Amino acid sequence: NAGVTQTPKFQVLKTGQSMTLQCAQDMNHNSMYWYRQDPGMGLRLIYYSASEGTTDKGEVPNGYNVSRLNKREFSLRLESAAPSQTSVYFCASSELGARASYNSPLHFGNGTRLTVT
Amino acid sequence: DAKTTQPTSMDCAEGRAANLPCNHSTISGNEYVYWYRQIHSQGPQYIIHGLKNNETNEMASLIITEDRKSSTLILPHATLRDTAVYYCIVRVKGGGADGLTFGKGTHLIIQP
Repeated sequence: NAGVTQTPKFQVLKTGQSMTLQCAQDMNHNSMYWYRQDPGMGLRLIYYSASEGTTDKGEVPNGYNVSRLNKREFSLRLESAAPSQTSVYFCASSELGARASYNSPLHFGNGTRLTVT
Repeated sequence: DAKTTQPTSMDCAEGRAANLPCNHSTISGNEYVYWYRQIHSQGPQYIIHGLKNNETNEMASLIITEDRKSSTLILPHATLRDTAVYYCIVRVKGGGADGLTFGKGTHLIIQP
């Protein structure tokens, strides 16, 4: 099993450009998440999807949109990139849905390193 | 979710046990303690979690005090590959699938 796969691994954008970060998991997990990590800081939750067909805002959702395409895939879109969105983006998934998520570890991908100039 | 406090950094000699403390004095009865680590440039890796009882798996042991206000992650025989940032997180039961709140963690450096 590959676990959680993120593409691309690296991306450079100019201010105002758009792009979609892709994430797929092959563990049949119900919940999926997008985090960002800035230098010297912990991870901050952008959006999450408790189950297929649902999405909710996290701590820092402004400037982003998400799509839970199916159970396997959860994409993150930047419509008009800004330098403040330069960061490392991590996707994660967990087995159980909302009711039991407290007892369900998150499994992370290896990140997409995005630079906006 | 309750707030956690961890030392910013720690050193440990290779081959020795690494004991990483975490204070979560405001934890409530339905909150789990989770530990993750992040090796440079990689995604966070799940290590272990528990509610009240001590837990052990192939990676580590988790010791939770009786009052649950603090816990210790133990890596029994640290290797150079255990150098990473370790995050202690508490997560509420029934709190919804809204992920985890990561602080700044402890930077553990294993010395040869």
